[in-house]
Amino acid sequence: DSGVTQTPKHLITATGQRVTLRCSPRSGDLSVYWYQQSLDQGLQFLIQYYNGEERAKGNILERFSAQQFPDLHSELNLSSLELGDSALYFCASSLGTVDGYTFGSGTRLTVV
Amino acid sequence: GQQVMQIPQYQHVQEGEDFTTYCNSSTTLSNIQWYKQRPGGHPVFLIQLVKSGEVKKQKRLTFQFGEAKKNSSLHITATQTTDVGTYFCAGIYGSARQLTFGSGTQLTVLP
Repeated sequence: DSGVTQTPKHLITATGQRVTLRCSPRSGDLSVYWYQQSLDQGLQFLIQYYNGEERAKGNILERFSAQQFPDLHSELNLSSLELGDSALYFCASSLGTVDGYTFGSGTRLTVV
Repeated sequence: GQQVMQIPQYQHVQEGEDFTTYCNSSTTLSNIQWYKQRPGGHPVFLIQLVKSGEVKKQKRLTFQFGEAKKNSSLHITATQTTDVGTYFCAGIYGSARQLTFGSGTQLTVLP
């Protein structure tokens, strides 16, 4: 157990639907990052939050959004899902912005 | 955008052989980190290098950061089957707050 909790572990949904992925960071970590991992794209940075505020955005689609709540857990919302959104979505946390990341076990999303 | 290139993409070695993966950036990195992802698992932080020319060792693993802070390498001596997995380098550019990951090197160790 890395200390970063992601739910659900697996998600199968149809095109056009909306899903929410949840992440609880390691205790004490203030930064939360979301990454997408697909076979041909590696680990792609989506978005970062630090202590409740959005700090950095990567190549996150407009159909995707995220937020970090006062208790520091974060949610990634994916809407109007397409087949190409099928991937592993990782959440990671760190104490600061220049520390090593602790990754969760990921949510495997399959869009059918 | 800024990219970290990593080679080779795949490497098969016999148990006991050495292994090296290389990362290259066209622009200077603030620091570089290395992660290992076992098959079916999540990336696990191995180490961070910050200083120009820095070399760090963890048992059979040796990590180097280039003098110009544009390249890095991970060398494993005498590989074991437990070393199987994908090794990623990841760098931070300037004042950026997030890691940019290399494409990874998938290591297979044949017994």
